[in-house]
Amino acid sequence: NAGVTQTPKFQVLKTGQSMTLQCAQDMNHEYMSWYRQDPGMGLRLIHYSVGAGITDQGEVPNGYNVSRSTTEDFPLRLLSAAPSQTSVYFCASSQQGGMGGYTFGSGTRLTVV
Amino acid sequence: SQQGEEDPQALSIQEGENATMNCSYKTSINNLQWYRQNSGRGLVHLILIRSNEREKHSGRLRVTLDTSKKSSSLLITASRAADTASYFCATEGNSGYSTLTFGKGTMLLVSP
Repeated sequence: NAGVTQTPKFQVLKTGQSMTLQCAQDMNHEYMSWYRQDPGMGLRLIHYSVGAGITDQGEVPNGYNVSRSTTEDFPLRLLSAAPSQTSVYFCASSQQGGMGGYTFGSGTRLTVV
Repeated sequence: SQQGEEDPQALSIQEGENATMNCSYKTSINNLQWYRQNSGRGLVHLILIRSNEREKHSGRLRVTLDTSKKSSSLLITASRAADTASYFCATEGNSGYSTLTFGKGTMLLVSP
């Protein structure tokens, strides 16, 4: 009963470095999303996927790439990290239509120096 | 841009009291959901209310939805110290694919 698993939990990057935040779910959910949470801003949608092979941009997609080769995995790639990408990142999944609510991972706290 | 806006931003009450949080949104929705976030943790889904529903209950939680006013409220009855957390409303639009748009949250502090 793992739910949504995010790795790593913490990461410090230097400006310009790249990295991949991992997200995996074992509930056979079709919908997966990446959000970032900044103080006073709530959660903002970065990218989302409605199934394997299908992704789309959310509200704040610049500087991030995603792919969805399997139902289970939805990695988020930072191409060239910037201090503005310092944030807490959450991955979430839901059944198609989201009517049962979304299940969130525990988050990745990223600091870019 | 944020779809939902919670009110108040912060709420401090004593154990046993009721806590009411409000959420307003801007566009038509398919459903509205409430989530809880304990400090440093992920979000936990509390309750979902569909656009054709007006009220829903789950344990000590009561949610109302007024689509004509584009607003919702979350009532937590008989609050406990363990209810201390941030509470977010999130809306799912009724066009295109299912994604959630979150408000900025209400921080609830329940003192023993």
